[in-house]
Amino acid sequence: SQTIHQWPATLVQPVGSPLSLECTVEGTSNPNLYWYRQAAGRGLQLLFYSVGIGQISSEVPQNLSASRPQDRQFILSSKKLLLSDSGFYLCAWSVPGGFGEQYFGPGTRLTVT
Amino acid sequence: AQSVTQLGSHVSVSEGALVLLRCNYSSSVPPYLFWYVQYPNQGLQLLLKYTSAATLVKGINGFEAEFKKSETSFHLTKPSAHMSDAAEYFCAVSDPKDSNYQLIWGAGTKLIIKP
Repeated sequence: SQTIHQWPATLVQPVGSPLSLECTVEGTSNPNLYWYRQAAGRGLQLLFYSVGIGQISSEVPQNLSASRPQDRQFILSSKKLLLSDSGFYLCAWSVPGGFGEQYFGPGTRLTVT
Repeated sequence: AQSVTQLGSHVSVSEGALVLLRCNYSSSVPPYLFWYVQYPNQGLQLLLKYTSAATLVKGINGFEAEFKKSETSFHLTKPSAHMSDAAEYFCAVSDPKDSNYQLIWGAGTKLIIKP
């Protein structure tokens, strides 16, 4: 069966510090991968998605970047965090050519102080 | 462009009462439709999905949803609410013609269960 991992679970970082969040998927090949953010009291905002290694599409211009160095690994990064980067970050995957349902990881709670 | 509307950011029901969470979509082509549940500080979990088979779809935890093309709706119901149903619920649609299968999300509805 497929599983998706995210780490760390929680993170407290000062403004201006770098960020690296990692997501890995097991039990499937060539998944579509997604990064979302949930700000407090708000819905889901798609940040990036990837349909293959090295292929990244950005949905919202911002202080963040994403990379997919391996088939089942998706990394969210920032060189300098802003207060507005605080939120709950979710990684998800879907089957290419399926019905579109996405399967989510447990999330990372990021607090920028 | 497709859009999803969830009526009511908060819905409050008594334990044992009917749960009805509303979702309407706008699309010229019948999409695929999904309901997700999110408990506090957790990821989203797929409750059920409509993929153009039966219009009444049964999901986990006793939830079901009915696709009504004429009303462009996909409302989520549960006959009897339980305290453990307290969570946020998201409706989402995908366009069968979108090869990347991005989901269009509703804003979410927080379900509050009163004892």
